[in-house]
Amino acid sequence: ETGVTQSPTHLIKTRGQQVTLRCSSQSGHNTVSWYQQALGQGPQFIFQYYREEENGRGNFPPRFSGLQFPNYSSELNVNALELDDSALYLCASTRASGTGELFFGEGSRLTVL
Amino acid sequence: QKEVEQDPGPLSVPEGAIVSLNCTYSNSAFQYFMWYRQYSRKGPELLMYTYSSGNKEDGRFTAQVDKSSKYISLFIRDSQPSDSATYLCASHTGGFKTIFGAGTRLFVKA
Repeated sequence: ETGVTQSPTHLIKTRGQQVTLRCSSQSGHNTVSWYQQALGQGPQFIFQYYREEENGRGNFPPRFSGLQFPNYSSELNVNALELDDSALYLCASTRASGTGELFFGEGSRLTVL
Repeated sequence: QKEVEQDPGPLSVPEGAIVSLNCTYSNSAFQYFMWYRQYSRKGPELLMYTYSSGNKEDGRFTAQVDKSSKYISLFIRDSQPSDSATYLCASHTGGFKTIFGAGTRLFVKA
C-alpha cells in the first residue's frame, strides 16, 4: 500500500512570490486535506477536497487555493506569499466512507524570506 | 479559547516510566478523538482513535476520553527512548475538519 507522498520537501521563496505544493494520496483514499503547521504549533486545517471539489475550508484567506485531480492527487497553491506563511504544509488523505482518520505525508517545509 | 488545549511541555521522563499526556476541549459536538505522534521533521502518524467516551488500549498505549469533563488522555506504559516525539491530540465532529492541540513534546531518557 502506497502512503501519502508530498513534493517538494523543502523550498525557499521570497515575499510576494507564488508557490505550488503537490500531494499524492494513499491508495484507496479519495479525500485529501491540507494543513499548515507553524513551528511549535499543531496542524491548522486549510481545506479539504472530495471528488475534485472543495469540501470545507478553515480560516485561511483566498490566496490559499487548491485542486484535486481525477487520480485523487492534489495541489496547494499560495499566492502573494507573506513571511507568516513560513511553515510545514501537510497533506493528509482519508476515505470518504471512513471515520476521518488522517494519513499524513512527510510535509513540505516552506520558508518565506 | 482554542477548541483543543494541550500543554506543550516539554515533558522529560526516565525510561520505563508511565507517561500521562492530557488535553481538554471545548466543543461539545466533538465525537471522535485521536492521538497522533510526530517525530522531528516528519508528518504526524495516527496512534490511537476513539469514538465517544471510554478507554481504548493498544499495547503499551491507552487512550481515555471523558466527555462529561471534556478531557482526553493518553497513557504510555514502560516508556522507551523511541517514544520521544511530539504527541498531538485531535478531535472532530464527524465532519471534514479535524482540530489539533498544539502538541506535547516528550523526552524519554535512557
